[in-house]
Amino acid sequence: AQTVTQSQPEMSVQEAETVTLSCTYDTSESDYYLFWYKQPPSRQMILVIRQEAYKQQNATENRFSVNFQKAAKSFSLKISDSQLGDAAMYFCAYRSFTGNQFYFGTGTSLTVIP
Amino acid sequence: DAGITQSPRHKVTETGTPVTLRCHQTENHRYMYWYRQDPGHGLRLIHYSYGVKDTDKGEVSDGYSVSRSKTEDFLLTLESATSSQTSVYFCAISVVGSVNTGELFFGEGSRLTVL
Repeated sequence: AQTVTQSQPEMSVQEAETVTLSCTYDTSESDYYLFWYKQPPSRQMILVIRQEAYKQQNATENRFSVNFQKAAKSFSLKISDSQLGDAAMYFCAYRSFTGNQFYFGTGTSLTVIP
Repeated sequence: DAGITQSPRHKVTETGTPVTLRCHQTENHRYMYWYRQDPGHGLRLIHYSYGVKDTDKGEVSDGYSVSRSKTEDFLLTLESATSSQTSVYFCAISVVGSVNTGELFFGEGSRLTVL
């Protein structure tokens, strides 16, 4: 089974500043998908951004962007202009191109300081 | 919104009692999943289903069983609940198609406490 590692259990950022959450994964596959999910205190899991491994261009969704380093098996999430509403648990996830199982990291709890 | 409903949303039960959690979807997606979420462990797959009566085990399936007699319903059963099964349980569906990349859509979670 693939493994996904989030080495930062907790992070904090000042409002309006930028923060980067780290994620690494282990796989022998060449094609796969990577995701970042956000879980606010409401407990709802919300997709933030996704990246297809065959695309060299890093995905971007408004203030959220990723730094995808395929050779290094790294998939970090950058949040720019942090807002109070960004405070949440963030999970990195992996899915193979052909399979239907998803593998999650243990999460990073992000605190946004006013 | 992928039309996923979990019930019950909260349940407190005693050790040794059976518990069934229900996941209902309105859009006839083929793949459905049950995860549990625990601090320090993230989300771990319990069981998943790839069609009616087609299910398979995940990484933490011991003590759990599932059934899928209809496309829209995926049931998770704890035959004899234990305190170690106190957790938040999430149902999810995978939307597979040419337009999307099969990300998971989650229900709102069911918090189970086993005393």
